[in-house]
Amino acid sequence: ETGVTQTPRHLVMGMTNKKSLKCEQHLGHNAMYWYKQSAKKPLELMFVYNFKEQTENNSVPSRFSPECPNSSHLFLHLHTLQPEDSALYLCASSQDYRGKMNTEAFFGQGTRLTVV
Amino acid sequence: SQQGEEDPQALSIQEGENATMNCSYKTSINNLQWYRQNSGRGLVHLILIRSNEREKHSGRLRVTLDTSKKSSSLLITASRAADTASYFCATGQYGNKLVFGAGTILRVKS
Repeated sequence: ETGVTQTPRHLVMGMTNKKSLKCEQHLGHNAMYWYKQSAKKPLELMFVYNFKEQTENNSVPSRFSPECPNSSHLFLHLHTLQPEDSALYLCASSQDYRGKMNTEAFFGQGTRLTVV
Repeated sequence: SQQGEEDPQALSIQEGENATMNCSYKTSINNLQWYRQNSGRGLVHLILIRSNEREKHSGRLRVTLDTSKKSSSLLITASRAADTASYFCATGQYGNKLVFGAGTILRVKS
């Protein structure tokens, strides 16, 4: 248990569905992240939030829509996904000091997403 | 774009042997971190080395950093079957970004 909880752990959705992934951190951190991990590819940084403000969008398609209502919660809203979006989606949090990424990140267990 | 690259991509050793993994990166960094991932699960932080440090130890782990060569290595001594996992280096960069390499798959045979 790392203090970062992701739900659901597994999700199967059709290409026309709308679903949301949820991440909650209990560590008092001020930065949260979404990563995508596909088979045989490196982890891809998708979004970075600092104090609830989005500071990084790594050219992610608009069918992925993040939301950070407070420093403890992060959502990833999904709509009209493609089969190639099937992957493990990982949430992480850290304590940011002036944007320097000087501390470790704590990861959740991930949501295994399958788009059919 | 992906930052770090690990070498080798896969490593298979006997229990008790040492395992060495290398990482190279391209841009300036604040620090370099190593993570471990068991199959299909979340990543666990192992060790962080700052850009002004050259070597760091934590238990059976030893990490080196050469900023002039933009490279780092992770040494796991006296490996155990439980060390079997994927190991990733990640560079801590300005803008609060942590960018990962492709990883090394380590298999320790008992």
